[in-house]
Amino acid sequence: EVQLVESGGGLVQPGGSLRLSCAASGFTVSTNYMSWVRQAPEKGLEWVSIIYSGGSTYYADSVKGRFTISRDNSKNTLYLQMDSLRAEDTAVYYCARVRVTTTYDTFDIWGQGTMVTVSS
Amino acid sequence: DIQMTQSPSSLSASVGDRVTITCRASQSISSYLNWYQQKPGKAPKLLIYGVSSLQSGVPSRFSGSGSGTDFTLTISSLQPEDFATYYCQQSYIARTFGQGTKVEIK
Repeated sequence: EVQLVESGGGLVQPGGSLRLSCAASGFTVSTNYMSWVRQAPEKGLEWVSIIYSGGSTYYADSVKGRFTISRDNSKNTLYLQMDSLRAEDTAVYYCARVRVTTTYDTFDIWGQGTMVTVSS
Repeated sequence: DIQMTQSPSSLSASVGDRVTITCRASQSISSYLNWYQQKPGKAPKLLIYGVSSLQSGVPSRFSGSGSGTDFTLTISSLQPEDFATYYCQQSYIARTFGQGTKVEIK
């Protein structure tokens, strides 16, 4: 079964750090584009970051310089290292597989999400 | 950045109604437009990709259309399980979601 399972969320103080993990099963993380999307409480979806199969990484302006996306091929796991956290980073964080062709590019598999709360 | 604007932000409809949600991009996005459904407390679910292609397992009452900057999601006959929030998303330049359209029971 194709599945993504996130972990690592929790309560952290402003300025702190947290690392989210996303374990994949049923497919190989390293041969796919993988992404993080977040959703603040009672708000819409916001794209956060993406890592291409070749290793290139891109970030939303709101997290650039503070968040780092990476993967461990041996563990088939995606990560999001979040540093210098702010209250506005409070959200449910979803990992998602990105299915890409020459005519479309879509988030086709989603994890269940992990909650990150930034508060003192 | 490409902005995505959905309308309406919310709507009330009855079972069996035809429902249409529109999404407008701030610049042309070719065919890089997707639609997702999200129910409370759950992850988004892919419905439509590449403007009009139905994701496997999604009922045929869902359909998508449009081109350039203007796109539409249509539910031909609303079912009880369709009450949810719907998001459009572009992937032409980076990735951006619309603000969502909440479909509620009338």
